[in-house]
Amino acid sequence: EVQLVESGGGLVQPGGSLRLSCTTSGFTFDNYAMSWVRQAPGKGLEWVSAISASGGTTYHADSVKGRFTISRDNSKNALYLQINSLRVEDTAVFYCAKGIAAAGVGDWFDSWGPGTLVTVSS
Amino acid sequence: YELTQPPSVSVSPGQTARITCSGNALSKQYAYWYQKKPGQAPVLVIYKDNERPSGIPERFSGSSSGTTVTLTISGVQAEDEADYYCQSADSRGTYVVFGGGTNLSVL
Repeated sequence: EVQLVESGGGLVQPGGSLRLSCTTSGFTFDNYAMSWVRQAPGKGLEWVSAISASGGTTYHADSVKGRFTISRDNSKNALYLQINSLRVEDTAVFYCAKGIAAAGVGDWFDSWGPGTLVTVSS
Repeated sequence: YELTQPPSVSVSPGQTARITCSGNALSKQYAYWYQKKPGQAPVLVIYKDNERPSGIPERFSGSSSGTTVTLTISGVQAEDEADYYCQSADSRGTYVVFGGGTNLSVL
């Protein structure tokens, strides 16, 4: 059974940083691209970042370029999101999502974690 | 690049709900649909415009015409009440885009 579990969320002040993690099991992690998707309170889903199976290619939404960095450790079956210069509007539940191919962002997500809440407030 | 969905759709139990999603790149890129209930992770209900994953009830179907894709739920049940999101990619396949979501109310 595919399992994705996010961690690392919490309350942080504006301008602060966080590192989110997504631990995975039940599939061959280094065969699949992975993404982060967030949902702000009362808002819709917003794709944030994606990374290829090898980790060699990354993609970021324009809204987070320069502040968010996606990475992965295939030896640990883990996905990460480094979030810097946090803003109040970054408050959201962050989900990790598994793609169905090794590369690209044109495919669907077939598994999602339960999410981790990031709250940015002073 | 944007995907446009109606904010809300309301139907009575047993009726058919249709949720549309429009975007210029949909003539070139597949669309996918997710069901999202409060406090839960999204669940894929349709992929590649009209394919249904295993475990998804047959009342869920998808179709595509030009730059518009449609999620159809036939014989809507109370448990189908949720937000539904379409997803695709830009025409170059460099970023993912979600529609704004449609809240399905089962009256």
